Amino acid sequence: DAGVIQSPRHEVTEMGQEVTLRCKPISGHDYLFWYRQTMMRGLELLIYFNNNVPIDDSGMPEDRFSAKMPNASFSTLKIQPSEPRDSAVYFCASSSRPDEKLFFGSGTQLSVL
Amino acid sequence: KQEVTQIPAALSVPEGENLVLNCSFTDSAIYNLQWFRQDPGKGLTSLLLIQSSQREQTSGRLNASLDKSSGRSTLYIAASQPGDSATYLCAVMGGAQKLVFGQGTRLTINP
Repeated sequence: DAGVIQSPRHEVTEMGQEVTLRCKPISGHDYLFWYRQTMMRGLELLIYFNNNVPIDDSGMPEDRFSAKMPNASFSTLKIQPSEPRDSAVYFCASSSRPDEKLFFGSGTQLSVL
Repeated sequence: KQEVTQIPAALSVPEGENLVLNCSFTDSAIYNLQWFRQDPGKGLTSLLLIQSSQREQTSGRLNASLDKSSGRSTLYIAASQPGDSATYLCAVMGGAQKLVFGQGTRLTINP
């Protein structure tokens, strides 16, 4: 298996633009997580899905953030409109069960100017 | 609210030394604890997973221990090598099925 695949690797955009991050989890993994990493706050869980259903989105910072999982092999995290404080590395991760090892993608480095 | 602390934030040691990284957490009601490694510009790689019923896990030169009652875990690295240089993060899972991460320890092994 190729592991968790995220795209794009880097995204540079201007304030106010819409940003869409994409993730393909490992096949057979029923849990998908979106994390954000910054120097100041470390790794923060934004939202997670189980069997394509959002279970906990309490970490989503504002209504500008939304996430979907239309099927077992694809998820998106959208920011609209983007702001400079959204600049961070966004990671997608998946696992077969919540009490088993978590596998991370390589992340998307987002810069909002 | 669960809080995870890792001390020190950075550690530099000469090659060949054995070393210990520390992790502490405030709420002992956890399901498991994971240690991750993160290389610059990369994602996280899970190194060891300790279930709440276990006391330790070993993989090669790595050994992780868990003491739930005191809210502590250690990651022991034997015979360190320059390739071990990375940031090491611990994370605990509580009842909400969410991992809470520490800020990490940045480890440098000097040849």
